[in-house]
Amino acid sequence: DTAVSQTPKYLVTQMGNDKSIKCEQNLGHDTMYWYKQDSKKFLKIMFSYNNKELIINETVPNRFSPKSPDKAHLNLHINSLELGDSAVYFCASSGQGNGYTFGSGTRLTVV
Amino acid sequence: AQSVSQHNHHVILSEAASLELGCNYSYGGTVNLFWYVQYPGQHLQLLLKYFSGDPLVKGIKGFEAEFIKSKFSFNLRKPSVQWSDTAEYFCAVRGTYKYIFGTGTRLKVLA
Repeated sequence: DTAVSQTPKYLVTQMGNDKSIKCEQNLGHDTMYWYKQDSKKFLKIMFSYNNKELIINETVPNRFSPKSPDKAHLNLHINSLELGDSAVYFCASSGQGNGYTFGSGTRLTVV
Repeated sequence: AQSVSQHNHHVILSEAASLELGCNYSYGGTVNLFWYVQYPGQHLQLLLKYFSGDPLVKGIKGFEAEFIKSKFSFNLRKPSVQWSDTAEYFCAVRGTYKYIFGTGTRLKVLA
């Protein structure tokens, strides 16, 4: 079973659309994250949730809204998509004393 | 402020050559340090981690890293690289509720 699963794996959409990316982890971890990896491979944290509570909200446009219905899920909704949103978005989770477990990524292309 | 620096952005080696990738961090508290690898088109995977104890840490696939507190460094090493080690390598430090990643080092191993 996949530990951290993201869907979809690829997403191509037009500017101005609204889209969601889903993430689920079955590791029992308390903390989940969304990272954005740009074309230069730089990884930047966007959000972090601990037990469904938002604990990190980096400087991210408010078009991006995370939702955590329970501690095993952290979804990312993006409104009014822009060209600059094109990137790979990684979900991750972590537990006590461990490193991250990453999802396989969602490659978002805005055209 | 917490930060991680990876000085080598691109490294090209021939098979069987030895590898050392530099990582320096800035963090005021107890450090947890990590190296992740990202193979082309894939997600990040944990190579090794340091929390405490023996400063020489062994990871998967023959990689090791040495924590040198006086130099704020956690360099990654491998005695003999293989073509399959071609990937992006990220150093990370765990801060409060999040991980700070370095900008990554792209390693290309020539067969």
